[in-house]
Amino acid sequence: AQSVTQPDIHITVSEGASLELRCNYSYGATPYLFWYVQSPGQGLQLLLKYFSGDTLVQGIKGFEAEFKRSQSSFNLRKPSVHWSDAAEYFCAVGARSQGNLIFGKGTKLSVKP
Amino acid sequence: GAGVSQSPSNKVTEKGKDVELRCDPISGHTALYWYRQSLGQGLEFLIYFQGNSAPDKSGLPSDRFSAERTGGSVSTLTIQRTQQEDSAVYLCASSMNSGANVLTFGAGSRLTVL
Repeated sequence: AQSVTQPDIHITVSEGASLELRCNYSYGATPYLFWYVQSPGQGLQLLLKYFSGDTLVQGIKGFEAEFKRSQSSFNLRKPSVHWSDAAEYFCAVGARSQGNLIFGKGTKLSVKP
Repeated sequence: GAGVSQSPSNKVTEKGKDVELRCDPISGHTALYWYRQSLGQGLEFLIYFQGNSAPDKSGLPSDRFSAERTGGSVSTLTIQRTQQEDSAVYLCASSMNSGANVLTFGAGSRLTVL
């Protein structure tokens, strides 16, 4: 079955600290991978995507993610977190031939001053 | 339009009533998606349209849920005889086509069923 697992429901980091959010997927076809961010009361905003090529992808707001096929993972990282990064983060998987994306349940990020 | 527009932003209804939620996608986007977001449940896929056709209705939770899209643009999600478990945020997204997969989301319609 196709699925996305985000093992951490809630993470708290200090401002300025580094961040890694985990994402594992189970998918039969070659996956397209995405990270979205949702601020309170807002829709989802695309942070970055991986379709093919370089397995380290850069996104907006200083985020990056690395696709590791052997581990079925697509973890999101940021070297230094800002208070404005507090939000909920969703990993998603799709495919060229499939219309919809499958989302994980999200990781809520809190940032301590 | 410049973004995906959803209305109403908030809807409170009584159990048993019908509700309609509207989505106006980005101009030129041929694919349109409906998701449901319940507390702690992530995003649950409901249905997607390519043009006016719905190739995948597999996510609709019951026959009380239906959706249509006319003119390849605006879509309406209808929930008949609402139940309390239908309370959620209903998110709409659009993309240039169903193979592109980069979805742009609206702000959502929050439905509360009393």
